[in-house]
Amino acid sequence: GESVGLHLPTLSVQEGDNSIINCAYSNSASDYFIWYKQESGKGPQFIIDIRSNMDKRQGQRVTVLLNKTVKHLSLQIAATQPGDSAVYFCAVAATYNAGNMLTFGGGTRLMVKP
Amino acid sequence: KAGVTQTPRYLIKTRGQQVTLSCSPISGHRSVSWYQQTPGQGLQFLFEYFSETQRNKGNFPGRFSGRQFSNSRSEMNVSTLELGDSALYLCASSTPGQGKDEQFFGPGTRLTVL
Repeated sequence: GESVGLHLPTLSVQEGDNSIINCAYSNSASDYFIWYKQESGKGPQFIIDIRSNMDKRQGQRVTVLLNKTVKHLSLQIAATQPGDSAVYFCAVAATYNAGNMLTFGGGTRLMVKP
Repeated sequence: KAGVTQTPRYLIKTRGQQVTLSCSPISGHRSVSWYQQTPGQGLQFLFEYFSETQRNKGNFPGRFSGRQFSNSRSEMNVSTLELGDSALYLCASSTPGQGKDEQFFGPGTRLTVL
């Protein structure tokens, strides 16, 4: 089955610095990857996604990198702000699973120091 | 456009009881997925419904069940509650599609089993 892991449970960064959150997945058939942000008391909020035919995708202040060779993806947040403090989850899915079943990583807590 | 709504937001039950949680997806969304979130196991997929049919099922015992109505609203039921069922239950909806679709999460229902 699919398993998703995270390298660091907690990441502390200075406001204004760039943040990098990593995620490893196990199933080479995974072809859809998403990053979610979850703030206290709220459900996960979609940040950015990437499909397996790409290796990089950029959004507003965020970039997702996908390395299918080593089954690794990362989320880069530029100029990290206090409002970025939250738990970040990666999630993966595979087209052999019809529908929208996601397998989530354990989460990384990002703490932004002012 | 209103987001995903879940009711109730908080619930306290005792062991052996049963509980029903409700989820109203974003208007126009036909896929509804349920996830269980606990500190120990993280976010785990329960099941997904699409057009009133269960399309995917996670690895949970039969005490966990769900259904979807013709208006896409979904309910999940947990019978014979156990202490370990205490968790945040999240519902996510997405637009109909053949591939993987962006899922929008509700705020969750916090279930406490005493």
